[in-house]
Amino acid sequence: DADVTQTPRNRITKTGKRIMLECSQTKGHDRMYWYRQDPGLGLRLIYYSFDVKDINKGEISDGYSVSRQAQAKFSLSLESAIPNQTALYFCATSENGGGPLPEQFFGPGTRLTVL
Amino acid sequence: GEDVEQSLFLSVREGDSSVINCTYTDSSSTYLYWYKQEPGAGLQLLTYIFSNMDMKQDQRLTVLLNKKDKHLSLRIADTQTGDSAIYFCAETLGGASKIIFGSGTRLSIRP
Repeated sequence: DADVTQTPRNRITKTGKRIMLECSQTKGHDRMYWYRQDPGLGLRLIYYSFDVKDINKGEISDGYSVSRQAQAKFSLSLESAIPNQTALYFCATSENGGGPLPEQFFGPGTRLTVL
Repeated sequence: GEDVEQSLFLSVREGDSSVINCTYTDSSSTYLYWYKQEPGAGLQLLTYIFSNMDMKQDQRLTVLLNKKDKHLSLRIADTQTGDSAIYFCAETLGGASKIIFGSGTRLSIRP
């Protein structure tokens, strides 16, 4: 079973709709992250959370919000989707405090298309 | 600023060596990474190097670090079709609380 799962894997929606992307992990990590991937731009950090009570904005948080419902769950919401939010979205986790090697573990991604 | 730069594409012949280059900006980075993204999948850590090392070898992979020039490279010996992927260079910032990724280099293999 995958350690980091994302639902849905694919979503097509219309401009103005509210969308929630969900992420769950069984790795027992405290730190969770949401990134978006666009061709030629690599991964850009949207939000990150170091524990259930700690939420931080990344470099491109405008138009997004997050909720850390539990240690294992971190959701990303688009309150009113717009076409330039069409992208591949990744959730990732890492150990608290970085650990001996602050590796991030990624989910399989959610492909979101906003028409 | 926080910038990790890589070229977007690289094409090599099967069996040749591939060299993917990266420049980074934060001289205080503790770890520098190479992540691999296969089609339809998330990123997976391929290899890493501590900032106090110049070179690291792991089977077909060789990582070279030039701290003076803030240049990182990944060499894949005897490139195979299974090496086709996007390779991301990344560095840590803020005491390893954040990882900054480059734009990724898409490696394609010619027969």
